[in-house]
Amino acid sequence: GQNIDQPTEMTATEGAIVQINCTYQTSGFNGLFWYQQHAGEAPTFLSYNVLDGLEEKGRFSSFLSRSKGYSYLLLKELQMKDSASYLCAVMDSNYQLIWGAGTKLIIKP
Amino acid sequence: TAGITQAPTSQILAAGRSMTLRCTQDMRHNAMYWYRQDLGLGLRLIHYSNTAGTTGKGEVPDGYSVSRANTDDFPLTLASAVPSQTSVYFCASSDSTENEQFFGPGTRLTVL
Repeated sequence: GQNIDQPTEMTATEGAIVQINCTYQTSGFNGLFWYQQHAGEAPTFLSYNVLDGLEEKGRFSSFLSRSKGYSYLLLKELQMKDSASYLCAVMDSNYQLIWGAGTKLIIKP
Repeated sequence: TAGITQAPTSQILAAGRSMTLRCTQDMRHNAMYWYRQDLGLGLRLIHYSNTAGTTGKGEVPDGYSVSRANTDDFPLTLASAVPSQTSVYFCASSDSTENEQFFGPGTRLTVL
């Protein structure tokens, strides 16, 4: 079967750095996506990785290792507005997204 | 720019009744999707459409139907609602199947 695993909840301090991990087992691989979802709102696109390595976009970076079926999202200089759920999704061989349940990130002052 | 709109925002529906959730996008995206999001679970794909005139079944299609008569609209119909269809429903679109998806604001549906 297809499976995406990520921690249910994480807590971090304002101004700090946090790493949210995602491991996956899917039928084929056509890229890995990270989305941010604030409570009661729609998911919004953060990043996309299809090749191994690190993609940096401002305070957010995303890493992929296809051989290990592993990705992480790194958030630097945390702000209170970063409190949200972070969703990992893998595009399978049929170009359909398989979604993890999301990691709820709580930022404390 | 509107992007993707969904209607209604929320609805309470009696079991056995039918309902259509509306989704419209103005980005001229080819692909559109319907997901449901339940607490503790990832988004699950209900139906999708890669281009106008075509539709396909996702992971959880039973009890739902869709149509794609034109590029902009992708309505989702529940023929006879059941309590297990209580969920938040998101419509999404992408310019091609391999690119990022853009989401509508969601419809919160409660079936009693």
